[in-house]
Amino acid sequence: DAGVIQSPRHEVTEMGQEVTLRCKPISGHDYLFWYRQTMMRGLELLIYFNNNVPIDDSGMPEDRFSAKMPNASFSTLKIQPSEPRDSAVYFCASRPWRGGVSLGETQYFGPGTRLLVL
Amino acid sequence: GENVEQHPSTLSVQEGDSAVIKCTYSDSASNYFPWYKQELGKGPQLIIDIRSNVGEKKDQRIAVTLNKTAKHFSLHITETQPEDSAVYFCAASNPGSARQLTFGSGTQLTVLP
Repeated sequence: DAGVIQSPRHEVTEMGQEVTLRCKPISGHDYLFWYRQTMMRGLELLIYFNNNVPIDDSGMPEDRFSAKMPNASFSTLKIQPSEPRDSAVYFCASRPWRGGVSLGETQYFGPGTRLLVL
Repeated sequence: GENVEQHPSTLSVQEGDSAVIKCTYSDSASNYFPWYKQELGKGPQLIIDIRSNVGEKKDQRIAVTLNKTAKHFSLHITETQPEDSAVYFCAASNPGSARQLTFGSGTQLTVLP
């Protein structure tokens, strides 16, 4: 298994530009999570999906942030317009669930996208 | 909601010595406690986890203990090696939070050769 795949690995953009981060979860995993990591705030959960449906987006900082999961194998996190304070490492993670029994709460993280907004 | 506190924030040990990282949680309903290791430039990777029906779990040089009464759990690394140097995160989850993970703030472990 290739694990969770994220792209791009690094992104440098200018303030005001649109940024799109991409994630491919592990095949068969039904939950997908987006996190942001900064020195000041640590790992913050932004949003998570179950079976492609957004369940909790209370961690999304502002309306500038949006996330979609059009199918089981792909999700995007978009920032429009981007600001310097959005600079962080963004992680995607996935977790399995089958039927009514969770196979465990273990989340598997991707390598992250390091975003720098100038 | 759940709150997880982790100590210390930094830890330096000599190669071969043991390292202990401690976490406390606030929600008594939490029943799953994973530990993640994050190396520079990489995502967090699960190294060991424990459920509330177990008091201790060991995997080679790594062990985790859980005290449900006191609501704290610890990571123990014995015979540390330079490759153990990384940031370690504890986390907790409970059924009531849809099993979301609440992470501690992380511990930067440095193993000195």
